[in-house]
Amino acid sequence: DTAVSQTPKYLVTQMGNDKSIKCEQNLGHDTMYWYKQDSKKFLKIMFSYNNKELIINETVPNRFSPKSPDKAHLNLHINSLELGDSAVYFCASSQGGGTGELFFGEGSRLTVL
Amino acid sequence: SQKIEQNSEALNIQEGKTATLTCNYTNYSPAYLQWYRQDPGRGPVFLLLIRENEKEKRKERLKVTFDTTLKQSLFHVTASQPADSATYLCAPSSNTGGFKTIFGAGTRLFVKA
Repeated sequence: DTAVSQTPKYLVTQMGNDKSIKCEQNLGHDTMYWYKQDSKKFLKIMFSYNNKELIINETVPNRFSPKSPDKAHLNLHINSLELGDSAVYFCASSQGGGTGELFFGEGSRLTVL
Repeated sequence: SQKIEQNSEALNIQEGKTATLTCNYTNYSPAYLQWYRQDPGRGPVFLLLIRENEKEKRKERLKVTFDTTLKQSLFHVTASQPADSATYLCAPSSNTGGFKTIFGAGTRLFVKA
């Protein structure tokens, strides 16, 4: 029974397209995140939601739009994809407004051609 | 700006020895610090969390120290095994209007049989 699940696991698309990645957690956590891991393996926080409210929004192009329909789901929509968007995107969740350990999904590898 | 530094070079050790990984941070005062393990193609997995008022934390063969004066954390794997081979990520957390956990680039550990 997967705790944090992301779909799709792999995504290959052309520049300029729009794509979405979905994330669901069944841990009952109140906080969810999107992280981006680039080719140099740096894991950078993009967004954080607590009880469906955006609480952290790093300097991310506004082509990236997160959406949290409920506490258990956090989706990421990306418009007008660029080559530099190619990376592995990880969803994570935690309890307590982000004061504890993070549980990560397996990642969604996005390749923009 | 906030900076987290981990040994960029891989650490190669013999099975049975103790591996020590270093994490230094600057321009940062984390409330706590976490260590994660990441295997190729997988999401990071939580290992240990240590708070700013704690000096040391242990879990089975793992030990973490946290020196807020030196702005450094050390991560030890004792009696190392080939199965310990992975990338280990240092992740300090602070409250910046919402608890935010940022990650170092990680240190790759290879344990030879």
